[in-house]
Amino acid sequence: SQQGEEDPQALSIQEGENATMNCSYKTSINNLQWYRQNSGRGLVHLILIRSNEREKHSGRLRVTLDTSKKSSSLLITASRAADTASYFCASTNTGGFKTIFGAGTRLFVKA
Amino acid sequence: NAGVMQNPRHLVRRRGQEARLRCSPMKGHSHVYWYRQLPEEGLKFMVYLQKENIIDESGMPKERFSAEFPKEGPSILRIQQVVRGDSAAYFCASSPLGGGPSTGELFFGEGSRLTVL
Repeated sequence: SQQGEEDPQALSIQEGENATMNCSYKTSINNLQWYRQNSGRGLVHLILIRSNEREKHSGRLRVTLDTSKKSSSLLITASRAADTASYFCASTNTGGFKTIFGAGTRLFVKA
Repeated sequence: NAGVMQNPRHLVRRRGQEARLRCSPMKGHSHVYWYRQLPEEGLKFMVYLQKENIIDESGMPKERFSAEFPKEGPSILRIQQVVRGDSAAYFCASSPLGGGPSTGELFFGEGSRLTVL
């Protein structure tokens, strides 16, 4: 990818379980964001974490950021079938203009 | 407040023809980004524009591709002499004046899906 990698590439879980997705990036960043994309649709912003933050919560979402390892994780707790989608991390490098996306994790939540 | 509007949603072209994709950003947004997405892949940055200016076009092929964001009207991504490899979904995103990439959230349109026969 242009900026980093995400893993796993695909994840299949049962409804009610937690889903964890990881993202690594290559350069120093201003912030890191997570987006969701339903099949055939545009991306929807979920959460943003700044480079001086280590953890952030929003509803059932928890994001962590480790700038020393250049990595982030997205945890979705108590997953629902409606959470089935692709999830992308995106980062803007320090001093840059571009928001660069990872390859994404395809999450499938079985009812 | 309407979101980012892209049209057409689907476009079919034969090899050698031109494709024009339009993007109207959210009201008040003066930063526009174009991304390309192949099936089952992530988004690849193409170009970042502000009104009447191309700020970063490092992700856009030097030939056949061009983008503009005029003072009035939508942003246009233009692909000349299309080839089969141009088949993809093209997404536009906007961000608000003064926000820009350093402060985060991009608002995406639903994409334009180009098929080259």
